[in-house]
Amino acid sequence: NAGVTQTPKFQVLKTGQSMTLQCAQDMNHNSMYWYRQDPGMGLRLIYYSASEGTTDKGEVPNGYNVSRLNKREFSLRLESAAPSQTSVYFCASSSSGRSETQYFGPGTRLLVL
Amino acid sequence: QKEVEQDPGPLSVPEGAIVSLNCTYSNSAFQYFMWYRQYSRKGPELLMYTYSSGNKEDGRFTAQVDKSSKYISLFIRDSQPSDSATYLCAVRDDKIIFGKGTRLHILP
Repeated sequence: NAGVTQTPKFQVLKTGQSMTLQCAQDMNHNSMYWYRQDPGMGLRLIYYSASEGTTDKGEVPNGYNVSRLNKREFSLRLESAAPSQTSVYFCASSSSGRSETQYFGPGTRLLVL
Repeated sequence: QKEVEQDPGPLSVPEGAIVSLNCTYSNSAFQYFMWYRQYSRKGPELLMYTYSSGNKEDGRFTAQVDKSSKYISLFIRDSQPSDSATYLCAVRDDKIIFGKGTRLHILP
């Protein structure tokens, strides 16, 4: 039982490049989330998916897209990376709904030059 | 006013001391309160979960909620260097709202 897994662990991009961050959970959870964490800013919700087939914007969605591929997997795509997107990205999941306890993955550290 | 406020620290205390970490929140309707611990270069993990006012104890950790003053605390007894981490408080209504976290250093 791996919980929430994320790939890659670390990535360097040049401005304008695109990439997809992958997340998978094996806890049979319905809801999944993408956060970014920056010094002094705390965790900020980018997008979430309450259940398979649905996605909703969070606090800071601009510059990102998401896909809930199936119940297990939730990916985050940066179409044209910008230096302001340098951050640590965390995926999380919960059994159902945004009010339930969330379980986090280990994070992806992204540097955009 | 932010919904959850937390002093960012860092807070440095000697090994064995009692640590007190605190948060204030703005909405008196919040009923569920959580503490997450985040080690360096790791994701946050749930540490304590409490409902309404009162205390909850788990080993060396005690979570305390004072709803009258909208204040939540985490106490760590007999602190260890392995407790060095960032501690995030969180409150819950229709979603979970996280504080920004307090960095804690336990000095050997």
